[in-house]
Amino acid sequence: DTEVTQTPKHLVMGMTNKKSLKCEQHMGHRAMYWYKQKAKKPPELMFVYSYEKLSINESVPSRFSPECPNSSLLNLHLHALQPEDSALYLCASSPSGGLPMNTEAFFGQGTRLTVV
Amino acid sequence: AQKITQTQPGMFVQEKEAVTLDCTYDTSDPSYGLFWYKQPSSGEMIFLIYQGSYDQQNATEGRYSLNFQKARKSANLVISASQLGDSAMYFCAMREARGNAGKSTFGDGTTLTVKP
Repeated sequence: DTEVTQTPKHLVMGMTNKKSLKCEQHMGHRAMYWYKQKAKKPPELMFVYSYEKLSINESVPSRFSPECPNSSLLNLHLHALQPEDSALYLCASSPSGGLPMNTEAFFGQGTRLTVV
Repeated sequence: AQKITQTQPGMFVQEKEAVTLDCTYDTSDPSYGLFWYKQPSSGEMIFLIYQGSYDQQNATEGRYSLNFQKARKSANLVISASQLGDSAMYFCAMREARGNAGKSTFGDGTTLTVKP
């Protein structure tokens, strides 16, 4: 199984809603990532979990709250989002967060989020 | 300063012809990795090819090859015998050994359209 599975594929939420994005991988990878991607733009790193501990937070607003319950699962909890948070949210995993360098990240298909 | 530069926002190529997508990078770290990803309209980022800074040979993976010119800091992707399914956005990315482990920097991407 070489897949990273993200659910849901599409999500529409109001600014007062609370929702969660889910990401799962069964490749035994120990690093997992959340990216935000606006249309026609490159992905922007939000968070990195390495061995289930948060290792990088790219100054993401607190309305985004990541959680890594176990080595296979990564959640992104959303609360009080703004319309400008509408984007494609990509999850990725890699065997490790650091060296060796040639460890590519495997990406999921993403969740297309629309905040209304 | 931008660490990864992709100067071609859009490219067109005839089916069955070869195409080169440009990527230049900037780093003072002697140890780094360069990656190319393909992103179809479905959203998933698909890993294509990797080149390490100490690799002596240019990387090749099937129809994909990487023209690595270290002194010029360029890592161009060459796709041979283009297929209609190659139409997608292509991102060049770099990971440096120093600093934040697991963090990749992406270029702005090139949209490739393959014409029948």
